[in-house]
Amino acid sequence: AQTVTQSQPEMSVQEAETVTLSCTYDTSESDYYLFWYKQPPSRQMILVIRQEAYKQQNATENRFSVNFQKAAKSFSLKISDSQLGDAAMYFCAYRSALLIKAAGNKLTFGGGTRVLVKP
Amino acid sequence: KAGVTQTPRYLIKTRGQQVTLSCSPISGHRSVSWYQQTPGQGLQFLFEYFSETQRNKGNFPGRFSGRQFSNSRSEMNVSTLELGDSALYLCASSLGHLSTDTQYFGPGTRLTVL
Repeated sequence: AQTVTQSQPEMSVQEAETVTLSCTYDTSESDYYLFWYKQPPSRQMILVIRQEAYKQQNATENRFSVNFQKAAKSFSLKISDSQLGDAAMYFCAYRSALLIKAAGNKLTFGGGTRVLVKP
Repeated sequence: KAGVTQTPRYLIKTRGQQVTLSCSPISGHRSVSWYQQTPGQGLQFLFEYFSETQRNKGNFPGRFSGRQFSNSRSEMNVSTLELGDSALYLCASSLGHLSTDTQYFGPGTRLTVL
């Protein structure tokens, strides 16, 4: 079974500064997808970024970028130029890419990291 | 396109009762997954439905069940409610047939069991 670990329960960042959230995962599969979701106080889960394991290039979405280290099974999220609206819980998630029609769409989540943004 | 909708948004029940939650996916999405979120256990996968069939199931007791209709709307039912069932229940929809699938979440149903 796959596991996802987020070792930082809470991170604090000054507005306009950069913060990096850590995520490690354990899997025996070679093909999979990794995600970062944001959950603000409204509780709505919002997709931040997605990484395909077969792609060496790190994904980037505006101020959000990842550092994907497949051999180390590490998938960190960097938030640049932090804004007050970035304050939220951030969840790292794993999904297998093997035989999606059989394995289904199960996401395995880490425990989350709360990001506080100081003005 | 409209996003994933969940009804009701809030629910209060007492122990022993049963409850039904509803999820309407994004138009064109055929997969609906359900997750339970609690402070103690975090986000846990309940089950997934694709084209009216349960495709995957998490490690929850049989009191938790679900179904999916021909229009892809899904319901989950919890019978004989226990205090520990108090949680935020999230559903997520996706196309369901692509390896590149991404799940989009609804706003959740907050269930409180007294």
